[in-house]
Amino acid sequence: GNSVTQMEGPVTLSEEAFLTINCTYTATGYPSLFWYVQYPGEGLQLLLKATKADDKGSNKGFEATYRKETTSFHLEKGSVQVSDSAVYFCALSAANSGGSNYKLTFGKGTLLTVNP
Amino acid sequence: NAGVTQTPKFQVLKTGQSMTLQCAQDMNHNSMYWYRQDPGMGLRLIYYSASEGTTDKGEVPNGYNVSRLNKREFSLRLESAAPSQTSVYFCASSVGGALNYGYTFGSGTRLTVV
Repeated sequence: GNSVTQMEGPVTLSEEAFLTINCTYTATGYPSLFWYVQYPGEGLQLLLKATKADDKGSNKGFEATYRKETTSFHLEKGSVQVSDSAVYFCALSAANSGGSNYKLTFGKGTLLTVNP
Repeated sequence: NAGVTQTPKFQVLKTGQSMTLQCAQDMNHNSMYWYRQDPGMGLRLIYYSASEGTTDKGEVPNGYNVSRLNKREFSLRLESAAPSQTSVYFCASSVGGALNYGYTFGSGTRLTVV
């Protein structure tokens, strides 16, 4: 079945540090990959996505590249801010054996705390 | 544009009580989903509705029922609440399958069963 594994948290960084959150996946077929962010007390928001191999998703200074050869979709940001403190979820969507693709499969989330 | 609206935002139930969590979307999305979020467990799918008139079980359906009332609304019912159902519940919707578009989430319902 489909699964997503992301690095265990929590991750604590100082402002302006470089961020990497690792994400690897197992899926049948050709999945689409997503990163979601959840700020305290809120629902999940789509941060970025990539729908085919070698695509790079980017948004708000965050980037992730779809690497089919390593089945990875690592999230990076060059200089984090205090306002980036949140939980980050990696997710995938892949067509099932019937050809439909209704559901996202999520990783367990990584808590990021950025200190001033 | 409200997106996905969940009610209530907070609820405390006694063991054995029943309640319905409401979810509505105004984006004309076809598919809707209910997840629960627990510490260390990530998000787990309870039920989903690929289109109006259909519902299917997800990963953790026991103790829950759902109704896709119309294209806009998808409710989750706890018939006899148990402390193990203490969680944060999220409703989400998508245009069709999630392959290209992902989901839009509501802000959640925090449920405590005592």
